[in-house]
Amino acid sequence: GAVVSQHPSRVICKSGTSVKIECRSLDFQATTMFWYRQFPKQSLMLMATSNEGSKATYEQGVEKDKFLINHASLTLSTLTVTSAHPEDSSFYICSASDGSRRRIDTQYFGPGTRLTVL
Amino acid sequence: DQQVKQNSPSLSVQEGRISILNCDYTNSMFDYFLWYKKYPAEGPTFLISISSIKDKNEDGRFTVFLNKSAKHLSLHIVPSQPGDSAVYFCAASAKTSYDKVIFGPGTSLSVIP
Repeated sequence: GAVVSQHPSRVICKSGTSVKIECRSLDFQATTMFWYRQFPKQSLMLMATSNEGSKATYEQGVEKDKFLINHASLTLSTLTVTSAHPEDSSFYICSASDGSRRRIDTQYFGPGTRLTVL
Repeated sequence: DQQVKQNSPSLSVQEGRISILNCDYTNSMFDYFLWYKKYPAEGPTFLISISSIKDKNEDGRFTVFLNKSAKHLSLHIVPSQPGDSAVYFCAASAKTSYDKVIFGPGTSLSVIP
């Protein structure tokens, strides 16, 4: 099956710093990538959708200036949490779709990144 | 407002027995439903899906049932195996935006050997 990787798997940073998380599709071209966050014992919440070469579409309530998303190539998307604060601590998961079918069961998830902001 | 609900945070089942995970939704625009399985520190993996034109879909040990009038779906796992122990997410999408998936909060299944 399709493989999506995320790096780093875990990151701890100080409040006020910026953190970049990478999401890569390893064996297919991802025309669309999605970024989710998950709080403990809660559901995955979609943050934004990005298509290669265009600006990301953010969900309501997600600050686009705080969560910078770049989808510069068909195999890489990055999420940068700018000026991170403790409330940004969460589990961030990306997913990627090759767009070959419309159905969302072609969305493949990365293993996630645990961000802890001290 | 939670559009996809999984009211049981956890479930324990004996190996070999049936596991039934339930999911309710509120948005009548949803027409495609999915179940994902997630192990700790991993991303969700797609398990099985069902379109609103069907009321049942079966794949090996996994069967999903959809009751549109009740806005309810369930995932049956028969027989349950210890390797099935994971968090199961119910998810839904609407015809207006097939890329966008709305997830439920998940049910943690423990299959006891």
